[in-house]
Amino acid sequence: GAVVSQHPSRVICKSGTSVKIECRSLDFQATTMFWYRQFPKQSLMLMATSNEGSKATYEQGVEKDKFLINHASLTLSTLTVTSAHPEDSSFYICSARTPNGYTFGSGTRLTVV
Amino acid sequence: AQSVTQLDSHVSVSEGTPVLLRCNYSSSYSPSLFWYVQHPNKGLQLLLKYTSAATLVKGINGFEAEFKKSETSFHLTKPSAHMSDAAEYFCVGGGADGLTFGKGTHLIIQP
Repeated sequence: GAVVSQHPSRVICKSGTSVKIECRSLDFQATTMFWYRQFPKQSLMLMATSNEGSKATYEQGVEKDKFLINHASLTLSTLTVTSAHPEDSSFYICSARTPNGYTFGSGTRLTVV
Repeated sequence: AQSVTQLDSHVSVSEGTPVLLRCNYSSSYSPSLFWYVQHPNKGLQLLLKYTSAATLVKGINGFEAEFKKSETSFHLTKPSAHMSDAAEYFCVGGGADGLTFGKGTHLIIQP
């Protein structure tokens, strides 16, 4: 079935640095990728929607200059958290639309120290 | 606009007893509905999905869910709980604009 590979699964970074999270569709072409964020004890919240070859659409309240999304090919979408701060520590997960619905990456646990 | 409501933030059952996790949805069109499970420090795992082919959907690990349009519900059930079922469960609605998540239900299994 359709698989999205997300890396890294865990990352710890220092405050002020940038972190890139990758999501690759392994056996299908992901024209649309959704990026979610999950705060502790809360549900996943949509951050942005990326479409291959065009600018991402960000949800209200999400800083586009802080969370850079690139979807340069049909198999790769990246989320870069720039100048990370401790409040950015969270669980980030991507999801791609497939012919049969949606598939998720395995998630990235980001800890900013 | 689509919304998904999980009616219980926590559910506690004894091992071997039935599990019922409730989910109601609202949508202006026929939705795609999913149940996902998230174990601690793990990614989301799809339990089952409804895409209008059949109202009773069987998933992995003995879970199933029934889509009831008249009640706008998609409750998740399992006849007999196992200790390994302890986790967070998300009811999710899928539409053209992406996914809408319920707030999650924490399932506790008592020995």
